[in-house]
Amino acid sequence: QKEVEQDPGPLSVPEGAIVSLNCTYSNSAFQYFMWYRQYSRKGPELLMYTYSSGNKEDGRFTAQVDKSSKYISLFIRDSQPSDSATYLCAPAYSSASKIIFGSGTRLSIRP
Amino acid sequence: EAGVTQFPSHSVIEKGQTVTLRCDPISGHDNLYWYRRVMGKEIKFLLHFVKESKQDESGMPNNRFLAERTGGTYSTLKVQPAELEDSGVYFCASSPRAGVSSYEQYFGPGTRLTVT
Repeated sequence: QKEVEQDPGPLSVPEGAIVSLNCTYSNSAFQYFMWYRQYSRKGPELLMYTYSSGNKEDGRFTAQVDKSSKYISLFIRDSQPSDSATYLCAPAYSSASKIIFGSGTRLSIRP
Repeated sequence: EAGVTQFPSHSVIEKGQTVTLRCDPISGHDNLYWYRRVMGKEIKFLLHFVKESKQDESGMPNNRFLAERTGGTYSTLKVQPAELEDSGVYFCASSPRAGVSSYEQYFGPGTRLTVT
């Protein structure tokens, strides 16, 4: 069983739509939950992080972690074509430890 | 502030040859990580340096891979001899010292390695 499961998509939505991206994980020892965005031929870029359970909002982006169900979500409001990228959920055991990446969801926002 | 840089951006070598990848982390970042993504798979952790010391090398696939970080600055990852299954994209990341936003790993653009 993979430590992190993520639907690879692709997911295509019209501009302005609300996007919901999700992951599940198996190891309850994860404490930090990151979302990375990766454009084609680029390295992953840290988008948001959440420590333990709860919500975090940053502009149009909201990250949620439910440790009881081992479920991680990223919501994008008022989606823009520039949001088209691969989104990677990435939990970690502690603050400076290795990151365990999901397979990534390819998102396309149609103008 | 310059980001994480990696060299070369792309390398094509024949099976059995040696390749050395280089990573220059963000200045002042004590933590340096190597990851790789092989075709169709997730990005996987290889190893973690804290300054010049190897903190975690549990992801290194075998002894054909050798990572060094002399002086705690840049790092090299040598593959010798290269095999076909080593093809993929090798990413380097760095983060500040533990306890100070150390979860924020900043990634370089990656080195695309093709072994023929």
